[in-house]
Amino acid sequence: AQKITQTQPGMFVQEKEAVTLDCTYDTSDQSYGLFWYKQPSSGEMIFLIYQGSYDEQNATEGRYSLNFQKARKSANLVISASQLGDSAMYFCAMREASGAQGGKLIFGQGTELSVKP
Amino acid sequence: DGGITQSPKYLFRKEGQNVTLSCEQNLNHDAMYWYRQDPGQGLRLIYYSQIVNDFQKGDIAEGYSVSREKKESFPLTVTSAQKNPTAFYLCASSTAVTGSYEQYFGPGTRLTVT
Repeated sequence: AQKITQTQPGMFVQEKEAVTLDCTYDTSDQSYGLFWYKQPSSGEMIFLIYQGSYDEQNATEGRYSLNFQKARKSANLVISASQLGDSAMYFCAMREASGAQGGKLIFGQGTELSVKP
Repeated sequence: DGGITQSPKYLFRKEGQNVTLSCEQNLNHDAMYWYRQDPGQGLRLIYYSQIVNDFQKGDIAEGYSVSREKKESFPLTVTSAQKNPTAFYLCASSTAVTGSYEQYFGPGTRLTVT
């Protein structure tokens, strides 16, 4: 069965420094997608970045990059130059193979990031 | 502006009552989803729908029901059979057009049942 594991319940980072949030996944599918979402205290889930299992290059979106290591089944999120507004819960998620399953997502337990001034 | 709306933001009900949570999207997305989030936890899928008039159970469908009569709307009913209905409920939608199927979420509804 597919599973997402985030082993860091909470992380602290100094403002303007980089931080890595860990995510490992388990799947027997060859085709899958990996996502990171941010959830501020307001509760809304904000899509950050996507990595497809066949993408050879690591995905980047502004200050966010995804360190994808397929053999190790890891998809860590790197946030560069942290800002106070980055303080939030971060969730890693995996999409099962497309087709009959559509875009169904499986979420990890989340990591709470606190950025210190 | 395109997006997903959920109403109300906060909802209070007495035990034994059914309650319906609204979800509307104007993104022209085919697929819609309902998730439940408990404090300190990730999201768990309740129901999803890939096209109008069709929907499938997710991982925790017991005690919930949905309908998908219009592409834009996917209401969720929390029935009295749901043992622990107090939670944060999030609706999402996605499209196959982007190829990645990323899901876009509404602001959520916090349901409290006493």
